[in-house]
Amino acid sequence: DAGVIQSPRHEVTEMGQEVTLRCKPISGHNSLFWYRQTMMRGLELLIYFNNNVPIDDSGMPEDRFSAKMPNASFSTLKIQPSEPRDSAVYFCASRPQGTESYEQYFGPGTRLTVT
Amino acid sequence: GDSVTQMEGPVTLSEEAFLTINCTYTATGYPSLFWYVQYPGEGLQLLLKATKADDKGSNKGFEATYRKETTSFHLEKGSVQVSDSAVYFCALRSGGSYIPTFGRGTSLIVHP
Repeated sequence: DAGVIQSPRHEVTEMGQEVTLRCKPISGHNSLFWYRQTMMRGLELLIYFNNNVPIDDSGMPEDRFSAKMPNASFSTLKIQPSEPRDSAVYFCASRPQGTESYEQYFGPGTRLTVT
Repeated sequence: GDSVTQMEGPVTLSEEAFLTINCTYTATGYPSLFWYVQYPGEGLQLLLKATKADDKGSNKGFEATYRKETTSFHLEKGSVQVSDSAVYFCALRSGGSYIPTFGRGTSLIVHP
């Protein structure tokens, strides 16, 4: 069982550049979440997909952030243009189908540094 | 809205000491409660859960009891190890929502 896969694990970029983070959820899971973790704000939910459809994107900080899920096995989070305050660890998590399946499975995260 | 409050860390203990990390919550209805653990450089992983009042979740020597009367879900372990050093997150999911609410996390540091 591969678990949730995220790439890259580390990303260093300059301010103004476009950044794309990638996530492959666990096969068969129909819900996908993107989170951002910082020391100042803790763990923040950015966006939630169910069956590839964005359900709640109220946590997306601004228009520079966008997320897509073109199919059940792939999602991207894009920041364009990036800013130093976007530096954080970004986690993707997936959850299996069914109302009894409350547990979320987190990926290892992408550590983003914007200089 | 829903909220989770955890004690601020870091919590620093010696090996074999008793651990308590407090967690209280505010939620509508009857939420499910969780503890997640995040080891250095890794993502969060579920440690234990409880889905109704008076349930006790347990795993790897950790326990937490769902206390509806005090709206609490405190995490305990009788004898911590250095390998338990991590950040612990309390979380809840209300019945009407598919989105969980996480606390800020509590860092635990265990010294040999």
